[in-house]
Amino acid sequence: EVRLVESGGGLVQPGRSLRLSCSASGFTFADHAVSWFRRAPGRGLEWVSFIRSRGRDGAIRYAASVEGRFTVSRDDSKSVSYLQMNSLKTEDTALYFCTRSKDPYDFIIDYWGQGTLVTVTS
Amino acid sequence: DIVMTQSPDSLAVSLGERATINCKSSQSVLYTPLNRNYLAWFQQKPGQPPKLLIYWSSTRESGVPDRFSGSGSGTDFTLTISSLQAEDVAVYYCQQYSLAPFTFGPGTRVDIK
Repeated sequence: EVRLVESGGGLVQPGRSLRLSCSASGFTFADHAVSWFRRAPGRGLEWVSFIRSRGRDGAIRYAASVEGRFTVSRDDSKSVSYLQMNSLKTEDTALYFCTRSKDPYDFIIDYWGQGTLVTVTS
Repeated sequence: DIVMTQSPDSLAVSLGERATINCKSSQSVLYTPLNRNYLAWFQQKPGQPPKLLIYWSSTRESGVPDRFSGSGSGTDFTLTISSLQAEDVAVYYCQQYSLAPFTFGPGTRVDIK
């Protein structure tokens, strides 16, 4: 069974950092791209970042709203993806989801985690 | 960015009746060389993450009942539930994956009349 479990969310002050983790199981993690999405209170789903599989160049992209502040990475040996979030702003408050892309496509999302909540407040 | 819109915002349909949801993109998501529309549909129930129903605008994901179908091309798309079941009560989203940032519609809530 495919499982994606996010962790690392919590309450943090503006300007501080947080690192989210996404632990995957039930499939060959290295073969799939991983994307992160978020849903802020009262707002729609927003794509945050993706990282391709290393076999498909490992390319990384970010949404303009997080470019330069967030860094996505993956450790295929541990089947984990990370989202390092620096210089957090109140508008980063959201439920963050880790997702898997449907093999062999990079951008068709076929599984989502349950999400981890990030609250940025002073 | 490609802006996705959906209509209606919500609809209530009797059990066994047809439900139709429309989605429009601000620019074409058709990749002509492959004749593929980079458009997906998701279903989200309370307390659950989104579930993939349809991709390439009309390809049903494995395990999705055949009462769900997708159609359309370019900028206009439709998700149809041919015979609404009680378990179909949910919010439905369209999403384009043609161009980053990959954007979603605001969602359409489907209820039982």
